Amino acid sequence: NAGVTQTPKFQVLKTGQSMTLQCAQDMNHNSMYWYRQDPGMGLRLIYYSASEGTTDKGEVPNGYNVSRLNKREFSLRLESAAPSQTSVYFCASTVRRGLHNQPQHFGDGTRLSIL
Amino acid sequence: KQEVTQIPAALSVPEGENLVLNCSFTDSAIYNLQWFRQDPGKGLTSLLLIQSSQREQTSGRLNASLDKSSGRSTLYIAASQPGDSATYLCAVNVGGTSYGKLTFGQGTILTVHP
Repeated sequence: NAGVTQTPKFQVLKTGQSMTLQCAQDMNHNSMYWYRQDPGMGLRLIYYSASEGTTDKGEVPNGYNVSRLNKREFSLRLESAAPSQTSVYFCASTVRRGLHNQPQHFGDGTRLSIL
Repeated sequence: KQEVTQIPAALSVPEGENLVLNCSFTDSAIYNLQWFRQDPGKGLTSLLLIQSSQREQTSGRLNASLDKSSGRSTLYIAASQPGDSATYLCAVNVGGTSYGKLTFGQGTILTVHP
C-alpha cells in the first residue's frame, strides 16, 4: 500500500520557471492538502481540497495554483517560481468517518530549490 | 488566529528516561489534536490523534493528553530509546468550515543517546 506518493522528490528551478508538483493517494480519501515546511516557520497550509471538485486557499496561497484532477490526485503548480518558494512541500490526505476526522497521512515531500 | 507553541524546542536525554513534550494552543475551539513524528528527510507519521471530546490516547509507550480549556496537550514517552530520536510535531484541527486544516507547532527535536 503506497499511501501518499509525491513526485518529484527533488527539483531545482531557475527564477521564473514553472513546474507542477504531483500528489496521488490510494487510500480513497476525500480530502487532500498541500503544505510547505520552512526552517523556523513550521508547516503552513498552502491549499486544500475538502472533496473532489473543490479547492480552497490555506494560509500561504500566493504564487501557487492547485488542481484536484480526480479523487486520487491533487497537483500544486508554481507558475513563475521565486527564490522565496524554496522549501520542502508536503502533500497529505485524510477522510472523515461519521463525526470524526481521521489522522492525516503525509507523503515524503518534494525538496524544491529556486535559484 | 490559532497559534501553536511547542516546548522545549530541543531535548536530549539518556536512553531509558521517561519524558514529556508540551504543546499549547491559543484558541480552545479545536476539533482534534494530532501528534506527529518526523524523521530527517522524511514526511510526517501520525502517532496519536485526540478528538476534542477525549482526554487522552495511548499507543504502546506513547500517551497523549488533551486539556482543551487550558489549551494544552502533552506527549509522554515512556522508557525512551535511541530509535525515538526524531522531531515531534503537534497540530490542531479547528474543524467546521476549516475541516481538516491543521495548524502546526514548530516541533521538538528529540535526541535519545545510548
